[in-house]
Amino acid sequence: GQNIDQPTEMTATEGAIVQINCTYQTSGFNGLFWYQQHAGEAPTFLSYNVLDGLEEKGRFSSFLSRSKGYSYLLLKELQMKDSASYLCVVMDSNYQLIWGAGTKLIIKP
Amino acid sequence: EADIYQTPRYLVIGTGKKITLECSQTMGHDKMYWYQQDPGMELHLIHYSYGVNSTEKGDLSSESTVSRIRTEHFPLTLESARPSHTSQYLCASSYGQDTGELFFGEGSRLTVL
Repeated sequence: GQNIDQPTEMTATEGAIVQINCTYQTSGFNGLFWYQQHAGEAPTFLSYNVLDGLEEKGRFSSFLSRSKGYSYLLLKELQMKDSASYLCVVMDSNYQLIWGAGTKLIIKP
Repeated sequence: EADIYQTPRYLVIGTGKKITLECSQTMGHDKMYWYQQDPGMELHLIHYSYGVNSTEKGDLSSESTVSRIRTEHFPLTLESARPSHTSQYLCASSYGQDTGELFFGEGSRLTVL
């Protein structure tokens, strides 16, 4: 079966750095996506990785290792507004999206 | 800012009622989706469409139907609502067939008594 694993919940301090890990097992691979979802709201797109390596976008970076079936989302200079769930999503060989359950990130002052 | 709209935002109805959740987008996107999401849980695909007159079933499609008569409009219908249908319903669209960058509406929160 297809599976995405990410921690259920993480806590970090305002101003710090946090890394949210994601491992996946899917039928083929056509890209990995990270979404942010605030409580009670819809997900919003953050990043896209299809080749190995690091993609940086402002305070957020996303890393991919296809051979290891592994990705992480790195958030720097954490702000209170970063408190949200972060969803790891993989596109399989049929271009179907497999969604992880998300990691709830709690930011403390 | 995404131009995709869902109505109603909130709905409380009784068991057995027929309901239609509306979704419209003004971005000209071909691919559209309906997802169901319970609090703290992953998104489950209900239906999707590649374009006009195209509809496909997802994992949770058996109790609902969709139509795609116009590019911008993708309504979801529950013929007979049950308490197990209580959930958040999210509509999304994307500009290509093979992209995972989805634009979501604000969601329709349904409660079935």
